Amino acid sequence: KAGVTQTPRYLIKTRGQQVTLSCSPISGHRSVSWYQQTPGQGLQFLFEYFSETQRNKGNFPGRFSGRQFSNSRSEMNVSTLELGDSALYLCASSPRTSGTDTQYFGPGTRLTVL
Amino acid sequence: AQTVTQSQPEMSVQEAETVTLSCTYDTSESNYYLFWYKQPPSRQMILVIRQEAYKQQNATENRFSVNFQKAAKSFSLKISDSQLGDTAMYFCAFMGAYNNDMRFGAGTRLTVKP
Repeated sequence: KAGVTQTPRYLIKTRGQQVTLSCSPISGHRSVSWYQQTPGQGLQFLFEYFSETQRNKGNFPGRFSGRQFSNSRSEMNVSTLELGDSALYLCASSPRTSGTDTQYFGPGTRLTVL
Repeated sequence: AQTVTQSQPEMSVQEAETVTLSCTYDTSESNYYLFWYKQPPSRQMILVIRQEAYKQQNATENRFSVNFQKAAKSFSLKISDSQLGDTAMYFCAFMGAYNNDMRFGAGTRLTVKP
């Protein structure tokens, strides 16, 4: 099976802009989770989508949002970008069935905000 | 709230030797999963090993094994016959049984020396 794919891999934006990142899960996986990784805060959970519904949300401002489509592909959006949003954004997919909830990660999108 | 602590920011080991990475966690849940992921310089998060809390037997995957002490809330990773390709950041992670909100430790940077 193909792994988790994320596009784009690198992105440069300026403060105040908005950005959309995309994640395609492993075939058959219905859950997509997003994480932000920064040197200062480490890996932090953003949100999880399952069957097109947001199931869990981390402690991030409302500028961070996401959605999931019927084919399980997910997008996350960050509006009004701030310098502190510069990070590696990782998405992970899992089957979301009892006993097999291992998350498999994509290669990440490196976002730089200038 | 669940927290994960990795007390060793950096470690090094000679090629072919054995190294143990420490991880402790705090939770009030009785059923959960624990993981070790590695993140090489490529930044791709790769699953190393997983342990279900209800299983008393320690998980093993080839050269990788864990020492899971549920009462002590300890979950260490042992790497035997270390190889140069094991050089990476290693993250310990906790996930409750009913949500995909994975909590990560700060990571241990492991260097395998020739």
